[in-house]
Amino acid sequence: GQQLNQSPQSMFIQEGEDVSMNCTSSSIFNTWLWYKQDPGEGPVLLIALYKAGELTSNGRLTAQFGITRKDSFLNISASIPSDVGIYFCAGQQVDYGGSQGNLIFGKGTKLSVKP
Amino acid sequence: ETGVTQTPRHLVMGMTNKKSLKCEQHLGHNAMYWYKQSAKKPLELMFVYSLEERVENNSVPSRFSPECPNSSHLFLHLHTLQPEDSALYLCASSQGYRHNQPQHFGDGTRLSIL
Repeated sequence: GQQLNQSPQSMFIQEGEDVSMNCTSSSIFNTWLWYKQDPGEGPVLLIALYKAGELTSNGRLTAQFGITRKDSFLNISASIPSDVGIYFCAGQQVDYGGSQGNLIFGKGTKLSVKP
Repeated sequence: ETGVTQTPRHLVMGMTNKKSLKCEQHLGHNAMYWYKQSAKKPLELMFVYSLEERVENNSVPSRFSPECPNSSHLFLHLHTLQPEDSALYLCASSQGYRHNQPQHFGDGTRLSIL
């Protein structure tokens, strides 16, 4: 089935550093979502993107819908310890019938922040 | 705090037991989902209900049986499970199925099969 390639798999950074992660696909998506999952909890929606080239911020988080519609990026500025967790991208395509398909998830990026 | 509540949070069961997972959403959504989350794998969609009708069943073994009595509640009935079924089971809901409204997740049930 369709897959999203999310990288990096894990990151170890110092508090205060900026973080970048991305998701790529060989196919076109028309919706990109970014979620964060803390240990013992479910994924929480961070940012939703609906238009190619769109750049959306949520506090220190900024996500972009790639212009080719095959990728998306998430940046975190000035990281803090509570940014620790697993970040997932998810994409949605339009199927042959013109309806939105099911969400396809990346494998996640595990972020560790050293104080 | 989420608008999607799952119970129990943890469940340990033997392979011959029968148990049920429960999900309740307080968001007024009309689509609900069950996902399986295993280590180092993407979330796997299991079932989708839209307006209380099952619209997706992604080749899930019959030992998993979903039930959606109304648009706010979703159950996953379990029987004769296998050790490889140990995972985090996540429920999600959205406003509309096959629309571009984001899904909102519960905190999951951590299931361990002995």
